[in-house]
Amino acid sequence: NAGVTQTPKFRVLKTGQSMTLLCAQDMNHEYMYWYRQDPGMGLRLIHYSVGEGTTAKGEVPDGYNVSRLKKQNFLLGLESAAPSQTSVYFCASRTARGTQYFGPGTRLLVL
Amino acid sequence: AQSVTQPDIHITVSEGASLELRCNYSYGATPYLFWYVQSPGQGLQLLLKYFSGDTLVQGIKGFEAEFKRSQSSFNLRKPSVHWSDAAEYFCAVGGSTGTASKLTFGTGTRLQVTL
Repeated sequence: NAGVTQTPKFRVLKTGQSMTLLCAQDMNHEYMYWYRQDPGMGLRLIHYSVGEGTTAKGEVPDGYNVSRLKKQNFLLGLESAAPSQTSVYFCASRTARGTQYFGPGTRLLVL
Repeated sequence: AQSVTQPDIHITVSEGASLELRCNYSYGATPYLFWYVQSPGQGLQLLLKYFSGDTLVQGIKGFEAEFKRSQSSFNLRKPSVHWSDAAEYFCAVGGSTGTASKLTFGTGTRLQVTL
């Protein structure tokens, strides 16, 4: 039981490049979330999903897209990366009771 | 809108001393409340959670928190801090289902432990 895993762990992009962050969970959770963490700002919700095939916007969705084609995977895409998207990205999945469990994070640097 | 305030950005305590980290929340219904801990370069680990029932909840690593509805608070406590407790602590509030399942986090409190 690996819990929540994230790929890649670290990435450097140039402005305008695109990339996809992958989140996978093996706990059969319905709900999944993408957050970004910036110094002094805590974690802010980007997008989330309440089940396979569904997605919804969070607090800071601009510049990001997501897909949940399979229950166990939640993908976060950056179509045209900007320096403001330099951050640490965390994925989480949630139990039916309400507890969120987090992945180890992806550090993204946009030059 | 839901929100969380952690008024202390940075706290320093001596090893063996007691600890209390403050958390105030705003939420329109009965909240789900959480404390997470993050060590440098790591992900978030759940310390404890409150859904309903007993307002004093016990967590891992000897931590506890008390839900006080009248004060909209969920403060984290530990009677005797260990050097390994040095980390950043986040309080979060959310709800039960659908759009309400989103968590809103505070900005965190960084704990430094002196020997």
